[in-house]
Amino acid sequence: RKEVEQDPGPFNVPEGATVAFNCTYSNSASQSFFWYRQDCRKEPKLLMSVYSSGNEDGRFTAQLNRASQYISLLIRDSKLSDSATYLCVVYEIPNQAGTALIFGKGTTLSVSS
Amino acid sequence: DAMVIQNPRYQVTQFGKPVTLSCSQTLNHNVMYWYQQKSSQAPKLLFHYYDKDFNNEADTPDNFQSRRPNTSFCFLDIRSPGLGDAAMYLCATSRSAGPSYEQYFGPGTRLTVT
Repeated sequence: RKEVEQDPGPFNVPEGATVAFNCTYSNSASQSFFWYRQDCRKEPKLLMSVYSSGNEDGRFTAQLNRASQYISLLIRDSKLSDSATYLCVVYEIPNQAGTALIFGKGTTLSVSS
Repeated sequence: DAMVIQNPRYQVTQFGKPVTLSCSQTLNHNVMYWYQQKSSQAPKLLFHYYDKDFNNEADTPDNFQSRRPNTSFCFLDIRSPGLGDAAMYLCATSRSAGPSYEQYFGPGTRLTVT
């Protein structure tokens, strides 16, 4: 089975800290990559897509290294509201019509004041 | 306004007693998905519908079935729930297939099997 592996966490950081999450994927044919955020006992929500050139959205920066099959998420100036589980998600070409999103188990971030 | 609605939010069923979980969407999306997420685990895709076309994941147990009577509604039927089926069941939708189309998740139904 294709796998998406993430840092086990949890990450406990103070407000204002910079924190980085890593993710590796096993299927070299994977096409697209995402970070989702999931709050406790809530549904996952798309945080950002990850592009080959790297991309930034405010305090969040995502990087992709296809050669190493590695994805990262950097959060700068952490806020209390950033406390959540961050899921690394990989899109694979499905055998049939549809979107085959493979989720990692997630890394839990806890930001404290 | 809720876009993907799941009912009930919490469901308790007895071992072996059939149960149906419901999902509806107001987005008029073509694709609807059912995921199973166990505690501290990743969401795992069970199956999805592209319009009326049903697509089952290879490792989804036969105990799990789905129906999509119209665009708006999709049901997950668990024919004989076991203790190992206790989980959060997430419904998601997307406008079409492919990575360009974001999946929107409902709040989930937490299933307890006694």
